[in-house]
Amino acid sequence: DAGVTQSPTHLIKTRGQHVTLRCSPISGHKSVSWYQQVLGQGPQFIFQYYEKEERGRGNFPDRFSARQFPNYSSELNVNALLLGDSALYLCASSLSRVVDEQYFGPGTRLTVT
Amino acid sequence: GNSVTQMEGPVTLSEEAFLTINCTYTATGYPSLFWYVQYPGEGLQLLLKATKADDKGSNKGFEATYRKETTSFHLEKGSVQVSDSAVYFCALSAIFNAGGTSYGKLTFGQGTILTVHP
Repeated sequence: DAGVTQSPTHLIKTRGQHVTLRCSPISGHKSVSWYQQVLGQGPQFIFQYYEKEERGRGNFPDRFSARQFPNYSSELNVNALLLGDSALYLCASSLSRVVDEQYFGPGTRLTVT
Repeated sequence: GNSVTQMEGPVTLSEEAFLTINCTYTATGYPSLFWYVQYPGEGLQLLLKATKADDKGSNKGFEATYRKETTSFHLEKGSVQVSDSAVYFCALSAIFNAGGTSYGKLTFGQGTILTVHP
């Protein structure tokens, strides 16, 4: 079975631009969580989506938003990009919103110049 | 709030040496504990987990025991290989309640870089 997939692998954006990252969860998994991993640090929780609704949110500004589609795939959107948004963005899927075992995709490396 | 603290790295070992990476946590309730591994240029892979006190998680020769009395989950391997070179993350999972719904999230340590030389 395919694992969690993410696209694109890498992208470069300019300050002030907008970006959309995509994630497809493992088949049968209904929950998608997004994490930001800045170089040299552990991943930080951004938010979780389950049944197309945001269920939990970390300490990130409103510039960060997401949505989940009927097939449980998800998009992460970041508006008004800042240099500090440069990071590896990881998507993780799990069976439900309270199952603790999460499986990660390979990530999207975002560079903001 | 919840937090995870890992021993500072990097850790450099010779092949077949014994590995210990320390991890301690702070959490309310009874979290599940995990070790994830990240190889260069890749995402995170779940290495092992433990869901309650005194549980031992194990996989690929790695082991870690959930110690509630010391709030620790140290990672060990008896004989490391060059292929074990990677970044290792300790994490805890807890259930949160917000706005009438509940969700689970992972809290990670800062990671420990392991390099194994032939």
